[in-house]
Parts: sequence; structure tokens; C-alpha cells
Amino acid sequence: SQQGEEDPQALSIQEGENATMNCSYKTSINNLQWYRQNSGRGLVHLILIRSNEREKHSGRLRVTLDTSKKSSSLLITASRAADTASYFCAPVGGNNRLAFGKGNQVVVIP
Amino acid sequence: DAGVTQSPTHLIKTRGQQVTLRCSPKSGHDTVSWYQQALGQGPQFIFQYYEEEERQRGNFPDRFSGHQFPNYSSELNVNALLLGDSALYLCASSFNTGYGANVLTFGAGSRLTVL
Repeated sequence: SQQGEEDPQALSIQEGENATMNCSYKTSINNLQWYRQNSGRGLVHLILIRSNEREKHSGRLRVTLDTSKKSSSLLITASRAADTASYFCAPVGGNNRLAFGKGNQVVVIP
Repeated sequence: DAGVTQSPTHLIKTRGQQVTLRCSPKSGHDTVSWYQQALGQGPQFIFQYYEEEERQRGNFPDRFSGHQFPNYSSELNVNALLLGDSALYLCASSFNTGYGANVLTFGAGSRLTVL
């Protein structure tokens, strides 16, 4: 399916550490997007990486994409307590539909 | 610039009732998508509206219907509510660039509880 599958599903780290999340998918994509959700509220777009890109940065975020392995990773550097949230990857295929996985729950301990 | 606004924020219904949820997209956006998010799960795509027509639909029964108005706002209607319909309903808007890289702007959601 097009749906992203995040790994690990739960992550607990100390403030200042880096957090890495992985996402796998099964079909070809046009792009892959990462979103954050705080406490059951709306999702916030973090970053989009196109299928012809391998790496992208935005502030403390670094996203990689390996289309041969159908996988992506999201790295948050120097984590802060405010980074505590659920993170979702959404592969976007030819139907331009975002297919979210169950998400990664990240807890940053002050 | 207002983002996506949804109403109501919370509501409680009983089984068999009908519910209407409303969404106003971000200014400049013309496409509205609806998602259902059960507790502990990721958002599941219900359908998408563009130019007042349903353009795509996810794996949801016909009890779920929608509408988009000329001002791009949208409604989600759910008939014959079931306990399993209890969830956070998220509206997301985007601008149809025609290039497929649709970044979504989400509202805060409407939390529906069915008793």
C-alpha cells in the first residue's frame, strides 16, 4: 500500500539529544512529506522531499529519501522539550493523496 | 491570515444520529480534504473536494458524504452514526498547483464522541 509505516513507534530521549525516525513505504512516490502533531490537535507540515531528491534540511530537521529502498528518515538535532509530539510520514503517489502511517511518538525529557 | 478553521471543536452524539462538521480553508486554498483519526492511529483519508466536486475518496462507506461551497468551505456529513465513528475529524486545505506536491494545512479538528 502507499501508506507510510514509521519506526520506531515510540521514542524517548533527553533534551539536547538527536532523534531519528524512519519511514518505509511500498509503492512509487512523487514526494514524501513529514508532519508533526501535538496532543491530538491538527497536523503541521514540516518538510517535503521530492522523489528526485536524496536529502533536505530545514532548521534542525534533516530528511533523507532512498527510493531504491522505499524508505525515508527524519532527524531532529538538538531536541527540545517542545519537540515532544507525534511525527507522521506521508508518501504521495500518483493520486496525489497523502497516506499517513500510525506515527512516531517522540517524548523529549527536559 | 486565518488558517483552517473547523467547527464544532467537540460534540457528542448517540448511535443512529447524524452529524455535520464544517471547515473553512486557509485563504487562497481551493482544495479541501477530510481525514478521520481514531485514538492512537494516523489520519485516514475520507475524501477530497475541489471545484465543488468530490475528486477522490478513501475506503469509507456512503454514510460519509460531503460538500464544497463556492467559497471553498466544506462540510462533512456522517449519517447513522456508529460507535466506531468516534474520532478526531481533521480538515486540511491546499492549493491545487497541478504539479501534485500538495502540502496540507490542517485545522485543529472536530472531536466526535458517539455514545
